[in-house]
Amino acid sequence: DTGVSQNPRHKITKRGQNVTFRCDPISEHNRLYWYRQTLGQGPEFLTYFQNEAQLEKSRLLSDRFSAERPKGSFSTLEIQRTEQGDSAMYLCASSFGWGPGEQYFGPGTRLTVT
Amino acid sequence: KQEVTQIPAALSVPEGENLVLNCSFTDSAIYNLQWFRQDPGKGLTSLLLIQSSQREQTSGRLNASLDKSSGRSTLYIAASQPGDSATYLCAVLKAAGNKLTFGGGTRVLVKP
Repeated sequence: DTGVSQNPRHKITKRGQNVTFRCDPISEHNRLYWYRQTLGQGPEFLTYFQNEAQLEKSRLLSDRFSAERPKGSFSTLEIQRTEQGDSAMYLCASSFGWGPGEQYFGPGTRLTVT
Repeated sequence: KQEVTQIPAALSVPEGENLVLNCSFTDSAIYNLQWFRQDPGKGLTSLLLIQSSQREQTSGRLNASLDKSSGRSTLYIAASQPGDSATYLCAVLKAAGNKLTFGGGTRVLVKP
């Protein structure tokens, strides 16, 4: 069990560029979650997957954001046409089971949009 | 809509003093409550998870209590150490829900 991993750990991009982040959950965890945390605030839910199905999306997830989890393994979060307001820590978590359970978090990807 | 509040937002104590961190939530229909630690620029480390049917959980110097009916949880850290300096976040998972709702965190500084 190597824990949840996220890549890259840091990303600096210019406004208007597209970025993609990757999350590898704990093996055999069928649920995967994305959260966003801005400076000085608690994380906010973005979306979650059960296996490959995206079952819930927050209103925070504008149409510039898209998340995928092909084959129910790793997940990617893409932000198109980045804006300065997208600067945040993007956290991924995973859990096991078919109902609510303990979520294990990765180290996060810090995005800075200049 | 579930709202989670943590007071105080920041706390500074001398080494050796006990820490008391508070978390309140508006909707008592929760499945569980988790306390996390976050170091600057890092991800979240789970400290304790309390199921809705439990009143408290303990791990080493940490003890967390849950009063679901009043919408409150308290994290106690005994005999604080400088290494306990971090931000502590509480989060609730609603019954039949899938997303954690977080408080804003309490930033703790333990002075040697």
